[in-house]
Amino acid sequence: GAGVSQTPSNKVTEKGKYVELRCDPISGHTALYWYRQSLGQGPEFLIYFQGTGAADDSGLPNDRFFAVRPEGSVSTLKIQRTERGDSAVYLCASSLLVDVSTDTQYFGPGTRLTVL
Amino acid sequence: KQEVTQIPAALSVPEGENLVLNCSFTDSAIYNLQWFRQDPGKGLTSLLLIQSSQREQTSGRLNASLDKSSGRSTLYIAASQPGDSATYLCAVRTGANNLFFGTGTRLTVIP
Repeated sequence: GAGVSQTPSNKVTEKGKYVELRCDPISGHTALYWYRQSLGQGPEFLIYFQGTGAADDSGLPNDRFFAVRPEGSVSTLKIQRTERGDSAVYLCASSLLVDVSTDTQYFGPGTRLTVL
Repeated sequence: KQEVTQIPAALSVPEGENLVLNCSFTDSAIYNLQWFRQDPGKGLTSLLLIQSSQREQTSGRLNASLDKSSGRSTLYIAASQPGDSATYLCAVRTGANNLFFGTGTRLTVIP
């Protein structure tokens, strides 16, 4: 079956612009996660959805970042007034989350965001 | 806050050599530990998951161990191949939404 997909694969924007990044999780996965990976670093947690609701958004760096998952499937990460420091690879993952101890998150290929 | 450290940051070995990657974490209250592989421009692929009650997991030429009390894990790769070249990431799960990653070890296997 299809894995997690993310669009676009690359996004170049200018400082101050608004961007949207999309994630299509694996069908049937109720849990969805967004991470940000800066160059030379491991992914860092941004936000977690269980179904349609944001169960934990404590990783969002500030109020310029927002994410939605209106129908419990596709999710969109929205960044307002982009800054050069927002440049990174944004990764999406999904999982079934039946049992945390055995749960595996499946990752998409990521969106590389470059803010000029 | 959980901190995950991976040593070495980069490793270069000749083809056929056995190697060990190291991961350490500061808080032993974990549900599991996972090893991922990341290829340039691609997402992460899960290699092995060790539950907190387990000591090791094996998949083909890969063997991962976990010593939760000391906060350490190792990934052993036997008979390395050029196709094993990638960045290997260790991550510990501390909750439904809490997956903490190390900075990775970049492995190069020289033909």
